[in-house]
Amino acid sequence: QKEVEQDPGPLSVPEGAIVSLNCTYSNSAFQYFMWYRQYSRKGPELLMYTYSSGNKEDGRFTAQVDKSSKYISLFIRDSQPSDSATYLCAMSARGGATNKLIFGTGTLLAVQP
Amino acid sequence: ETGVTQTPRHLVMGMTNKKSLKCEQHLGHNAMYWYKQSAKKPLELMFVYNFKEQTENNSVPSRFSPECPNSSHLFLHLHTLQPEDSALYLCASSQVGRDGSSYEQYFGPGTRLTVT
Repeated sequence: QKEVEQDPGPLSVPEGAIVSLNCTYSNSAFQYFMWYRQYSRKGPELLMYTYSSGNKEDGRFTAQVDKSSKYISLFIRDSQPSDSATYLCAMSARGGATNKLIFGTGTLLAVQP
Repeated sequence: ETGVTQTPRHLVMGMTNKKSLKCEQHLGHNAMYWYKQSAKKPLELMFVYNFKEQTENNSVPSRFSPECPNSSHLFLHLHTLQPEDSALYLCASSQVGRDGSSYEQYFGPGTRLTVT
């Protein structure tokens, strides 16, 4: 079983839709959760960063962590064509020299105008 | 220059060539990373440098040789590569505490490597 599972998509939605992107994980030691956005031919860009369980909102983006279910989500409201990209979840355990992120495979999102 | 920069952006090399990838971070961070990104696979961590010391070598073949002369620069020296090494090579940096805690990594644009 992979440590982090992410549906690769592609996910195609109309402009203005609410998008839900998800990852599941198996390692209960993970406490730090990130979402990165990667445009074609670019490096990943940090989008959201959360610690432990709960929600975090930033503009049209909301990150949700449910540690009891080992499940994280990224919601995008009022999606725009400029949101079309690959979204990568990443997570890390705490302590020691564990500045090591474990990534999902990424979900390709296409927002149609 | 801001953020994390990488050169070259594209590289085509034969299996007998020797080349180097360069990364520079302008964020004042003290940790740098090399990742490999292949199609339909998660990012694979290759090497980690904390305070210029290598702290992680994720079972990477010896044909990849990293070098970190200071906390702002990171190189990946390549020799006798195989076609399956063709991928996007990403450099990242972060700020690391003395206890090793660090979680937000900032990435460069990557070098698209093709081995022929």
